[in-house]
Amino acid sequence: GAGVSQSPSNKVTEKGKDVELRCDPISGHTALYWYRQSLGQGLEFLIYFQGNSAPDKSGLPSDRFSAERTGGSVSTLTIQRTQQEDSAVYLCASSPRLSYGYTFGSGTRLTVV
Amino acid sequence: QQQVKQSPQSLIVQKGGISIINCAYENTAFDYFPWYQQFPGKGPALLIAIRPDVSEKKEGRFTISFNKSAKQFSLHIMDSQPGDSATYFCAARLMAAGNKLTFGGGTRVLVKP
Repeated sequence: GAGVSQSPSNKVTEKGKDVELRCDPISGHTALYWYRQSLGQGLEFLIYFQGNSAPDKSGLPSDRFSAERTGGSVSTLTIQRTQQEDSAVYLCASSPRLSYGYTFGSGTRLTVV
Repeated sequence: QQQVKQSPQSLIVQKGGISIINCAYENTAFDYFPWYQQFPGKGPALLIAIRPDVSEKKEGRFTISFNKSAKQFSLHIMDSQPGDSATYFCAARLMAAGNKLTFGGGTRVLVKP
């Protein structure tokens, strides 16, 4: 597609449930990033995939968070046993390997009630 | 040493005026400094970027000024327009950490007609 696509755009879940957030990067972009944006805050790095290299998971806040990238394309961010503090907008971005600039998707707004 | 501090948190400017947003960083190993613009409900979009070997970069009405010795950089929006009303984020990249970015906390700009 022309841009980074994220789904769903909005997700409301009950505390304790698991959720999966999906990201379709721009075709041909080898790097994929997940960031979290809490209300009125900046962007917090979560995880980074580059080609076939091991992902950089250094930003994941707890072991309830995990992500995978299948076939070097689509990525899924999974949050297990969601907590109210997980409520935020989860943003995915992709970039060509040798380029600095990211293209962000519109995000998934997660609300844990 | 990974932090990027951004100010002000918000600003109001009259149409035609100059908007100035400042960022400061600690880690001298940062090698790339982009600015992103975000409209409500959308992901951030790359606006303009600079490398530390350049003191100024201008693209249209947007200018980055970079002061390496002070470890500060700023975004100037000249002739501000109502369509510039958005949240602006500065960021910095550490090459040794891959292509992931450390973001400032954001500045909400409102341009009054």
